[in-house]
Amino acid sequence: DSGVTQTPKHLITATGQRVTLRCSPRSGDLSVYWYQQSLDQGLQFLIQYYNGEERAKGNILERFSAQQFPDLHSELNLSSLELGDSALYFCASSVDPTISQETQYFGPGTRLLVL
Amino acid sequence: AQKITQTQPGMFVQEKEAVTLDCTYDTSDPSYGLFWYKQPSSGEMIFLIYQGSYDQQNATEGRYSLNFQKARKSANLVISASQLGDSAMYFCAMRPPGRGSTLGRLYFGRGTQLTVWP
Repeated sequence: DSGVTQTPKHLITATGQRVTLRCSPRSGDLSVYWYQQSLDQGLQFLIQYYNGEERAKGNILERFSAQQFPDLHSELNLSSLELGDSALYFCASSVDPTISQETQYFGPGTRLLVL
Repeated sequence: AQKITQTQPGMFVQEKEAVTLDCTYDTSDPSYGLFWYKQPSSGEMIFLIYQGSYDQQNATEGRYSLNFQKARKSANLVISASQLGDSAMYFCAMRPPGRGSTLGRLYFGRGTQLTVWP
């Protein structure tokens, strides 16, 4: 158990819908990262927050948004869902994103299926 | 741009034997971190081992060791005494220096599916 929690574990929804994925980082970690894993794209970085502020952005679609709350949990919002959004979404956490040797610990992931 | 290459889509090894999973990377930064993660069929990503670009010695964690050849830009994972439970997908990842748009992000390879047979 990495100490990072994600809910829900599985999510099935329809095209055009909106969903929210939730992540709680490890105790003491201030930084949260979101990754998407799909068969065609592999593991892709989406976005990163540090202590409530957005710090880095990757290949995140405009239909997707995220935030980190004062209690440090984070939510990833996916809207106007398309079939291609079906993927495993990971949240990871670490203490300080400026330290390159720092390990990111991953949550169990949320498996999203868009029908 | 950062790039991680894992050339072995699949590897097979017999139980108790050692296996090497290949990883090469491309970066112009002198400072970076290299990571290996394991993803069993259940889906979670499990951190295995870390190697810093300035580390003089190869990293080891139990049965895992990292064969780091900086000049060749390779960071191969060696698993000794393979066990059936080692069957999983293994990902190599690189973390460039923490600044700008690359701050903290990991760049992953496509992974190697390892199968351990009895």
